[in-house]
Amino acid sequence: AQSVTQLGSHVSVSEGALVLLRCNYSSSVPPYLFWYVQYPNQGLQLLLKYTTGATLVKGINGFEAEFKKSETSFHLTKPSAHMSDAAEYFCAVIISGAGSYQLTFGKGTKLSVIP
Amino acid sequence: DVKVTQSSRYLVKRTGEKVFLECVQDMDHENMFWYRQDPGLGLRLIYFSYDVKMKEKGDIPEGYSVSREKKERFSLILESASTNQTSMYLCASSRDHSYNSPLHFGNGTRLTVT
Repeated sequence: AQSVTQLGSHVSVSEGALVLLRCNYSSSVPPYLFWYVQYPNQGLQLLLKYTTGATLVKGINGFEAEFKKSETSFHLTKPSAHMSDAAEYFCAVIISGAGSYQLTFGKGTKLSVIP
Repeated sequence: DVKVTQSSRYLVKRTGEKVFLECVQDMDHENMFWYRQDPGLGLRLIYFSYDVKMKEKGDIPEGYSVSREKKERFSLILESASTNQTSMYLCASSRDHSYNSPLHFGNGTRLTVT
Protein backbone atom coordinates (compact mmCIF):
# COMPACT_ATOMS: atom_id res chain seq x y z
CA ALA A 1 0.00 0.00 0.00
CA GLN A 2 1.15 3.51 -0.68
CA SER A 3 1.45 6.21 1.95
CA VAL A 4 2.70 9.74 2.36
CA THR A 5 4.36 11.33 5.38
CA GLN A 6 4.71 15.07 5.73
CA LEU A 7 7.21 16.05 8.39
CA GLY A 8 5.96 18.94 10.45
CA SER A 9 2.32 19.92 10.69
CA HIS A 10 3.32 23.58 11.08
CA VAL A 11 6.27 25.41 9.57
CA SER A 12 7.08 29.10 10.11
CA VAL A 13 9.51 31.08 7.99
CA SER A 14 10.40 34.74 7.73
CA GLU A 15 9.44 36.66 4.63
CA GLY A 16 12.29 36.28 2.13
CA ALA A 17 13.62 33.09 3.70
CA LEU A 18 13.84 29.67 2.11
CA VAL A 19 10.72 27.52 2.26
CA LEU A 20 11.27 23.77 2.69
CA LEU A 21 8.32 21.45 3.20
CA ARG A 22 9.18 17.78 3.55
CA CYS A 23 7.38 14.82 2.03
CA ASN A 24 8.37 11.17 2.09
CA TYR A 25 6.41 8.42 0.38
CA SER A 26 6.16 4.70 0.72
CA SER A 27 5.39 2.72 -2.40
CA SER A 28 6.47 -0.66 -3.69
CA VAL A 29 6.26 0.54 -7.29
CA PRO A 30 7.30 3.82 -8.94
CA PRO A 31 4.99 6.59 -7.78
CA TYR A 32 3.52 9.69 -9.27
CA LEU A 33 3.81 12.58 -6.83
CA PHE A 34 1.89 15.79 -6.38
CA TRP A 35 1.82 18.89 -4.23
CA TYR A 36 -1.48 20.68 -3.67
CA VAL A 37 -1.96 24.01 -1.90
CA GLN A 38 -4.99 25.20 0.05
CA TYR A 39 -5.31 28.93 0.70
CA PRO A 40 -7.57 30.02 3.58
CA ASN A 41 -11.25 29.36 2.94
CA GLN A 42 -10.59 27.74 -0.41
CA GLY A 43 -10.36 24.26 -1.88
CA LEU A 44 -7.09 22.65 -2.94
CA GLN A 45 -5.32 23.47 -6.17
CA LEU A 46 -2.49 21.66 -7.91
CA LEU A 47 0.91 23.24 -7.31
CA LEU A 48 3.09 20.79 -9.25
CA LYS A 49 3.47 17.13 -10.13
CA TYR A 50 6.09 14.53 -10.94
CA THR A 51 5.12 11.72 -13.29
CA THR A 52 8.09 10.78 -15.46
CA GLY A 53 11.19 12.45 -16.86
CA ALA A 54 13.05 15.26 -15.15
CA THR A 55 13.19 14.76 -11.41
CA LEU A 56 13.19 18.49 -10.66
CA VAL A 57 9.76 19.89 -11.38
CA LYS A 58 8.67 23.49 -11.31
CA GLY A 59 5.23 24.62 -10.30
CA ILE A 60 3.24 27.77 -9.92
CA ASN A 61 4.24 30.75 -7.76
CA GLY A 62 7.96 29.92 -7.82
CA PHE A 63 7.72 26.56 -6.07
CA GLU A 64 9.65 23.51 -7.14
CA ALA A 65 10.15 19.95 -5.91
CA GLU A 66 12.71 17.25 -6.54
CA PHE A 67 11.91 13.55 -6.76
CA LYS A 68 14.67 11.55 -5.06
CA LYS A 69 14.07 7.86 -5.46
CA SER A 70 16.98 6.84 -3.22
CA GLU A 71 15.54 8.91 -0.37
CA THR A 72 11.87 8.25 -1.24
CA SER A 73 11.33 11.98 -0.95
CA PHE A 74 9.58 14.78 -2.81
CA HIS A 75 10.33 17.92 -0.82
CA LEU A 76 8.82 21.24 -1.83
CA THR A 77 11.00 24.36 -1.90
CA LYS A 78 10.83 28.03 -2.71
CA PRO A 79 13.93 30.25 -2.48
CA SER A 80 12.20 33.28 -0.99
CA ALA A 81 8.94 33.19 0.96
CA HIS A 82 6.24 35.74 0.33
CA MET A 83 3.38 36.63 2.64
CA SER A 84 0.95 35.26 0.07
CA ASP A 85 2.51 31.79 0.44
CA ALA A 86 0.83 31.33 3.81
CA ALA A 87 -1.40 28.31 3.24
CA GLU A 88 -1.66 24.60 3.91
CA TYR A 89 0.30 22.30 1.62
CA PHE A 90 -0.53 18.68 0.89
CA CYS A 91 1.73 16.07 -0.65
CA ALA A 92 -0.03 13.25 -2.49
CA VAL A 93 0.93 10.03 -4.26
CA ILE A 94 -0.51 7.64 -6.81
CA ILE A 95 1.29 4.46 -7.71
CA SER A 96 1.98 3.99 -11.41
CA GLY A 97 -0.82 2.18 -13.15
CA ALA A 98 -3.40 3.46 -10.70
CA GLY A 99 -6.18 5.88 -11.44
CA SER A 100 -6.81 9.37 -10.17
CA TYR A 101 -9.23 7.98 -7.61
CA GLN A 102 -6.38 6.23 -5.85
CA LEU A 103 -4.64 9.45 -4.83
CA THR A 104 -3.39 9.28 -1.23
CA PHE A 105 -2.88 12.59 0.60
CA GLY A 106 -0.52 13.41 3.41
CA LYS A 107 -1.86 15.10 6.53
CA GLY A 108 -0.77 18.56 5.43
CA THR A 109 1.74 21.19 6.52
CA LYS A 110 0.53 24.64 7.44
CA LEU A 111 3.00 27.31 6.37
CA SER A 112 3.11 30.61 8.22
CA VAL A 113 5.15 33.51 6.85
CA ILE A 114 6.38 36.06 9.39
CA PRO A 115 6.83 39.63 8.19
CA ASP B 1 -11.11 27.17 -16.23
CA VAL B 2 -12.75 24.31 -14.39
CA LYS B 3 -15.26 25.33 -11.81
CA VAL B 4 -16.45 23.05 -9.04
CA THR B 5 -19.26 24.60 -7.06
CA GLN B 6 -20.47 23.43 -3.68
CA SER B 7 -23.93 24.72 -2.89
CA SER B 8 -23.33 25.72 0.72
CA ARG B 9 -20.28 27.27 2.37
CA TYR B 10 -21.53 26.73 5.92
CA LEU B 11 -24.22 24.38 7.17
CA VAL B 12 -25.54 23.75 10.67
CA LYS B 13 -27.72 20.70 11.23
CA ARG B 14 -29.11 18.81 14.21
CA THR B 15 -28.26 15.26 15.19
CA GLY B 16 -30.47 12.79 13.34
CA GLU B 17 -31.29 15.10 10.43
CA LYS B 18 -30.87 13.98 6.84
CA VAL B 19 -28.29 16.21 5.18
CA PHE B 20 -27.61 16.77 1.49
CA LEU B 21 -24.37 18.32 0.24
CA GLU B 22 -24.46 19.27 -3.41
CA CYS B 23 -21.61 19.65 -5.88
CA VAL B 24 -21.66 20.70 -9.52
CA GLN B 25 -18.80 20.80 -12.05
CA ASP B 26 -18.94 22.56 -15.38
CA MET B 27 -16.24 20.80 -17.43
CA ASP B 28 -17.83 17.49 -18.37
CA HIS B 29 -15.45 15.59 -16.09
CA GLU B 30 -15.93 11.84 -15.76
CA ASN B 31 -14.85 11.51 -12.14
CA MET B 32 -16.22 13.18 -9.06
CA PHE B 33 -15.12 12.78 -5.47
CA TRP B 34 -16.18 13.60 -1.93
CA TYR B 35 -13.47 14.09 0.68
CA ARG B 36 -13.62 14.91 4.33
CA GLN B 37 -10.94 17.21 5.78
CA ASP B 38 -10.15 17.25 9.50
CA PRO B 39 -7.24 18.95 11.29
CA GLY B 40 -4.29 16.61 11.64
CA LEU B 41 -5.91 13.93 9.50
CA GLY B 42 -5.60 15.50 6.05
CA LEU B 43 -8.07 14.51 3.34
CA ARG B 44 -9.88 11.24 3.48
CA LEU B 45 -11.89 9.89 0.55
CA ILE B 46 -15.52 9.13 1.33
CA TYR B 47 -16.91 8.13 -2.07
CA PHE B 48 -16.12 8.67 -5.71
CA SER B 49 -17.99 8.23 -8.96
CA TYR B 50 -16.53 7.47 -12.38
CA ASP B 51 -19.76 7.74 -14.35
CA VAL B 52 -23.42 8.59 -14.02
CA LYS B 53 -25.15 6.27 -11.53
CA MET B 54 -21.82 4.64 -10.69
CA LYS B 55 -20.21 4.94 -7.28
CA GLU B 56 -17.38 3.40 -5.35
CA LYS B 57 -16.59 3.48 -1.65
CA GLY B 58 -13.53 5.31 -0.52
CA ASP B 59 -11.68 4.95 2.74
CA ILE B 60 -14.42 6.15 5.11
CA PRO B 61 -17.88 5.52 3.58
CA GLU B 62 -19.67 4.58 6.80
CA GLY B 63 -22.58 6.88 7.58
CA TYR B 64 -22.60 8.39 4.09
CA SER B 65 -24.18 7.67 0.73
CA VAL B 66 -23.94 9.42 -2.64
CA SER B 67 -25.97 10.04 -5.74
CA ARG B 68 -24.93 10.85 -9.28
CA GLU B 69 -27.96 11.13 -11.52
CA LYS B 70 -26.36 13.61 -13.92
CA LYS B 71 -22.77 13.81 -15.03
CA GLU B 72 -22.22 17.29 -13.66
CA ARG B 73 -23.75 16.75 -10.22
CA PHE B 74 -22.59 14.63 -7.30
CA SER B 75 -24.45 14.65 -4.01
CA LEU B 76 -23.27 13.49 -0.61
CA ILE B 77 -25.99 12.32 1.77
CA LEU B 78 -25.80 11.92 5.50
CA GLU B 79 -28.79 9.72 6.27
CA SER B 80 -28.81 10.56 9.98
CA ALA B 81 -26.27 13.20 10.90
CA SER B 82 -24.13 12.66 13.98
CA THR B 83 -21.79 15.01 15.84
CA ASN B 84 -18.74 13.07 14.65
CA GLN B 85 -19.63 14.09 11.11
CA THR B 86 -18.89 17.72 11.93
CA SER B 87 -16.16 18.50 9.42
CA MET B 88 -15.11 20.27 6.23
CA TYR B 89 -16.36 18.47 3.15
CA LEU B 90 -14.58 18.94 -0.17
CA CYS B 91 -15.90 17.96 -3.56
CA ALA B 92 -13.51 17.41 -6.47
CA SER B 93 -13.63 16.35 -10.10
CA SER B 94 -11.12 15.04 -12.62
CA ARG B 95 -11.26 14.71 -16.38
CA ASP B 96 -10.68 10.97 -16.52
CA HIS B 97 -9.06 8.03 -14.74
CA SER B 98 -5.54 8.92 -15.76
CA TYR B 99 -3.02 9.64 -13.03
CA ASN B 100 -2.18 12.68 -15.12
CA SER B 101 -5.63 14.12 -14.69
CA PRO B 102 -5.43 16.48 -11.70
CA LEU B 103 -8.22 16.95 -9.22
CA HIS B 104 -10.12 20.24 -9.24
CA PHE B 105 -11.64 21.13 -5.90
CA GLY B 106 -14.58 23.18 -4.75
CA ASN B 107 -14.21 25.65 -1.88
CA GLY B 108 -15.68 23.27 0.65
CA THR B 109 -18.73 23.03 2.89
CA ARG B 110 -18.14 23.38 6.61
CA LEU B 111 -20.78 21.24 8.30
CA THR B 112 -21.55 21.50 11.99
CA VAL B 113 -23.82 18.91 13.57
CA THR B 114 -25.18 19.88 16.97
